[in-house]
Amino acid sequence: DAKTTQPPSMDCAEGRAANLPCNHSTISGNEYVYWYRQIHSQGPQYIIHGLKNNETNEMASLIITEDRKSSTLILPHATLRDTAVYYCIVRVLIQGAQKLVFGQGTRLTINP
Amino acid sequence: SAVISQKPSRDICQRGTSLTIQCQVDSQVTMMFWYRQQPGQSLTLIATANQGSEATYESGFVIDKFPISRPNLTFSTLTVSNMSPEDSSIYLCSVVRGWNTEAFFGQGTRLTVV
Repeated sequence: DAKTTQPPSMDCAEGRAANLPCNHSTISGNEYVYWYRQIHSQGPQYIIHGLKNNETNEMASLIITEDRKSSTLILPHATLRDTAVYYCIVRVLIQGAQKLVFGQGTRLTINP
Repeated sequence: SAVISQKPSRDICQRGTSLTIQCQVDSQVTMMFWYRQQPGQSLTLIATANQGSEATYESGFVIDKFPISRPNLTFSTLTVSNMSPEDSSIYLCSVVRGWNTEAFFGQGTRLTVV
């Protein structure tokens, strides 16, 4: 089972920052938080990941709370092309292998 | 990044038949995975493809229905056997290069069983 909880849908205005929350209250100390997005009919696209420090790359920023029980993905200037389903995933270690177990994700709609 | 080629990209198959999906990566990877995405749903992990040994299946998936091969570090196949309309889904290959690195996904194979 997925270890994350996300709102099923969100809306954001074009040009504004999109802040997508994720709860992962049962995360273990060595488990990373990953974010992916899936644009309709395409394979999931990697966005960013982190352990406990905030991370930033050319796509987004990831803010992880100090207790690591939740995180927020920030798209600083959302565009229409950012409309997608966003998945917050805790990468778990199962039978010696790291696996991505997907939850239901948040359907983000960017409005003009 | 990794360039992943999945073939076929889509297919329409008759029930009772089998389809083999191929996943080719442009460079060696540590791990390869197969996922299923049913219509309107999230991704579900089917199995981990292990090089030179039997795949490791997740709960609810069995080798007889979804046989997997991984002969080397850049190639894997997933077969959907004895198909029924309930097998209509997108099947995705995913690869990982190393520990705690990102996974990359193929574009998927859209399967329709009639």
